[in-house]
Amino acid sequence: DTAVSQTPKYLVTQMGNDKSIKCEQNLGHDTMYWYKQDSKKFLKIMFSYNNKELIINETVPNRFSPKSPDKAHLNLHINSLELGDSAVYFCASSQGRTSGRQYFGPGTRLTVT
Amino acid sequence: GNSVTQMEGPVTLSEEAFLTINCTYTATGYPSLFWYVQYPGEGLQLLLKATKADDKGSNKGFEATYRKETTSFHLEKGSVQVSDSAVYFCALSRQGGSEKLVFGKGTKLTVNP
Repeated sequence: DTAVSQTPKYLVTQMGNDKSIKCEQNLGHDTMYWYKQDSKKFLKIMFSYNNKELIINETVPNRFSPKSPDKAHLNLHINSLELGDSAVYFCASSQGRTSGRQYFGPGTRLTVT
Repeated sequence: GNSVTQMEGPVTLSEEAFLTINCTYTATGYPSLFWYVQYPGEGLQLLLKATKADDKGSNKGFEATYRKETTSFHLEKGSVQVSDSAVYFCALSRQGGSEKLVFGKGTKLTVNP
């Protein structure tokens, strides 16, 4: 019973393409997040949604667009992919918008060639 | 702004050695403090947390004490195992408002048999 799942696990694509990563949580949480982890393992938050409302939007290129169709899903769409977008993207969820206890998905490794 | 500073890695130890990973923070108010662990190929998992000064978080033999006077939350374990090999992240969450976790840069631990 996977709590937070992401698809795909690996994504290899060429520069300029558009791709999406999907995230689903079955924990009943109302807050979901997207993080980017670079090759040095540095983890940085990108977005957060609470009850389908965007509450955190860090300085991220507008080529990145999150979409939350319902509380259990938070997808990340990336337009015009660049080499620098190569990273591992983690989805996470928590109960409440102020909870530091977050549950992470297994990650999606994106490689842009 | 809020920030977390962790000791630089990587850290390599022999099995049964004593582990300390230093973490200091800068934050306004009274943040909650966390240690997350990332095993190879997986997402992050909460290891332990402390929400107020002098609290001690503990789990799986790991401990960390919230020291307000030194703004520190050092992670310790008395006897590490090979299975503890992972990347460890210190993080803080400021109380109140639409919060996000602020992570340190991570410390990679390798335990050799």
